[in-house]
Amino acid sequence: NAGVTQTPKFQVLKTGQSMTLQCAQDMNHEYMSWYRQDPGMGLRLIHYSVGAGITDQGEVPNGYNVSRSTTEDFPLRLLSAAPSQTSVYFCASSYSNRDRYNSPLHFGNGTRLTVT
Amino acid sequence: DQQVKQNSPSLSVQEGRISILNCDYTNSMFDYFLWYKKYPAEGPTFLISISSIKDKNEDGRFTVFLNKSAKHLSLHIVPSQPGDSAVYFCAARGYNTDKLIFGTGTRLQVFP
Repeated sequence: NAGVTQTPKFQVLKTGQSMTLQCAQDMNHEYMSWYRQDPGMGLRLIHYSVGAGITDQGEVPNGYNVSRSTTEDFPLRLLSAAPSQTSVYFCASSYSNRDRYNSPLHFGNGTRLTVT
Repeated sequence: DQQVKQNSPSLSVQEGRISILNCDYTNSMFDYFLWYKKYPAEGPTFLISISSIKDKNEDGRFTVFLNKSAKHLSLHIVPSQPGDSAVYFCAARGYNTDKLIFGTGTRLQVFP
C-alpha cells in the first residue's frame, strides 16, 4: 500500500496564479482532510470530507476549494495564490465512524508551496 | 481561538531521562486525543491515543495521561532517546465529528 500520496512535493507560484495540489489514498478511507503547517501555528485544518460528494470547511478555508468525486482523491485548489498561502500542505485520511477510538489520521509527506 | 494548546514550544532532555510534553484543550466535547510525531520533511506520524473514558494509555516507552477535569493531557517518554528528537503535536476530536484539531507543537531535543 502506498498510503497517502501527495503531488507535487515542491511548487513555486507567482501571486495570482492558480494550481491544484493532488492527494490520493489507497486505504479506502472515508475521511480525508487538508492541513497547512506554518511556524508557530501548528497544523491548521483547511477543508475536510467525510465521503465522496461531501466536503466542509475547517479552521482556515478562505482562498481554497476542494471537491471529492471519488473515495480515493481529494484535490485542493488555490484559485488565486497569495504570499500568505506560502506554507507546507499536508493531506491526511482515516476511517470515519468505524471503531472511533482506533482510527488515527494517516498523513502524506507534504507539499511545500512558495508564493512570490 | 486555539482549542488545543501546547504552551511549550521547545523542550530539551538528556538521553535516558523522562520527557514530559503537555497539552491543554478548551472544548469539553472532545472525546479522543492523539499524539503525533513529526520529523523534518516528513508528514506527521501517529504515536499514541487515548479516549475520554480512560485516564492513561501506555505503549512501550510512551504513556499518555488524560485529566478531563483539568482539560489537560500529557505525553511521557521514558527513557528518552536521541531518535525521539522531533516535533510533537497533540490533537483532539469531538464525539460528533471526524475533524481533528491540532496544537501548535513542541520541539523535543534529546541530547546525549
